Amino acid sequence: GDSVTQMEGPVTLSEEAFLTINCTYTATGYPSLFWYVQYPGEGLQLLLKATKADDKGSNKGFEATYRKETTSFHLEKGSVQVSDSAVYFCALKTSYDKVIFGPGTSLSVIP
Amino acid sequence: GEEVAQTPKHLVRGEGQKAKLYCAPIKGHSYVFWYQQVLKNEFKFLISFQNENVFDETGMPKERFSAKCLPNSPCSLEIQATKLEDSAVYFCASSQSHGEAYEQYFGPGTRLTVT
Repeated sequence: GDSVTQMEGPVTLSEEAFLTINCTYTATGYPSLFWYVQYPGEGLQLLLKATKADDKGSNKGFEATYRKETTSFHLEKGSVQVSDSAVYFCALKTSYDKVIFGPGTSLSVIP
Repeated sequence: GEEVAQTPKHLVRGEGQKAKLYCAPIKGHSYVFWYQQVLKNEFKFLISFQNENVFDETGMPKERFSAKCLPNSPCSLEIQATKLEDSAVYFCASSQSHGEAYEQYFGPGTRLTVT
């Protein structure tokens, strides 16, 4: 079945460090790919998305590129801030409309 | 509205009691989805609706769980005779249409604690 795998962490970085959170997926068909973020005590927010191969999603300094050949959608940010501390979920959505989430990666950014 | 609204924010029930959660989708969105987030961040799809019709219920537990989306009313998810393992955050999401390109917008969730 469809699934998403991502590094679970926790990941701890110093402010201004470079961030990469790896995400790979397994899916039939051509899914859309998403990164969601969940700040402490809050709900899910869509961070960025890509709907087809080679698309790059970007928002708030975060980027991810849909790589069909490696079935990956790695999240990157060049310089993290304390306010980026949150749990990040990689997800896919197929034509059947269920969103399949990865296990989440907890990120802590220390000053 | 412009956001998915969920009520209540927190709900505490004793084991065996009924729990009812509500979701108001974004105006103009015809699809509603319910997800359950349990310990260690795991999300489980429960059920989806196209307007008031069930679209996909493959994730719904056969017993105790039911859901409705009636015209001009918030959608609801009801758990009869709650169990400890029902403790979770329940998220509702809505989308304009179905298909890969349509993103789902999530509400803030309802945290259910069963004691």
